[in-house]
Amino acid sequence: HPQLQESGPGLVKPSETLSLSCSFSGGSIRDDNYYWGWIRQPPGKGLEWVGSIHHSGRVYYDPSLKSRVTISVDTSNNQFSLRLNSVTAADTALFYCARHLVSGDAFDIWGQGTMVTVSS
Amino acid sequence: QSALTQPASVSGSPGQSITISCTGTSSDVGGYTLVSWYQQHPGKAPKVIICEDNKRPSGISSRFSGSKSGNTASLTISGLQAEDEADYYCCTYASGSRIIFGGGTKLTVL
Repeated sequence: HPQLQESGPGLVKPSETLSLSCSFSGGSIRDDNYYWGWIRQPPGKGLEWVGSIHHSGRVYYDPSLKSRVTISVDTSNNQFSLRLNSVTAADTALFYCARHLVSGDAFDIWGQGTMVTVSS
Repeated sequence: QSALTQPASVSGSPGQSITISCTGTSSDVGGYTLVSWYQQHPGKAPKVIICEDNKRPSGISSRFSGSKSGNTASLTISGLQAEDEADYYCCTYASGSRIIFGGGTKLTVL
């Protein structure tokens, strides 16, 4: 069955760039019906959408993060990635990758999440 | 980002019904038939329990139901069970190609 798995460093220094990848198995990231997104959850807080990308390259970001975020897709390796630059302690969070329909409907498949701490 | 408004906490006894509200605007909740609800147990990834305002994905108990009136969506859980104790989040597509989550509601089963 389809699964998502996040990977990347668990510790990033302030002002540096956070980089995460998400691998999709059990299907193709080239499916026209889906967007591939990133959601973060600061410790003890709620869910925050970061952005989403289609395999065609169409991408959209949360306005509050748009200036610092880049999401890209690697169809040959069936994965997509997140880069968040100029990080601060406020970016410390559990990062999830997830899939949702092009229509904007629900995130139906989620990764297990990966914790990223911003600290020197 | 401006989160959708949910109560911080709700509680109920086993067998009872509870409702969690999610209030937005005509640019998000009221503007699209795309409200979804997620259940998150501690240490686990969220799980979708309602999509497209009121549809249950395959495998989700009929005890969970969604509805919407104007700019407010609601999640109702009937026949409350101990396993329902979790955090619940609403989510919707919004104008400007955004996705917005609610602040989350902690459900306690007494």
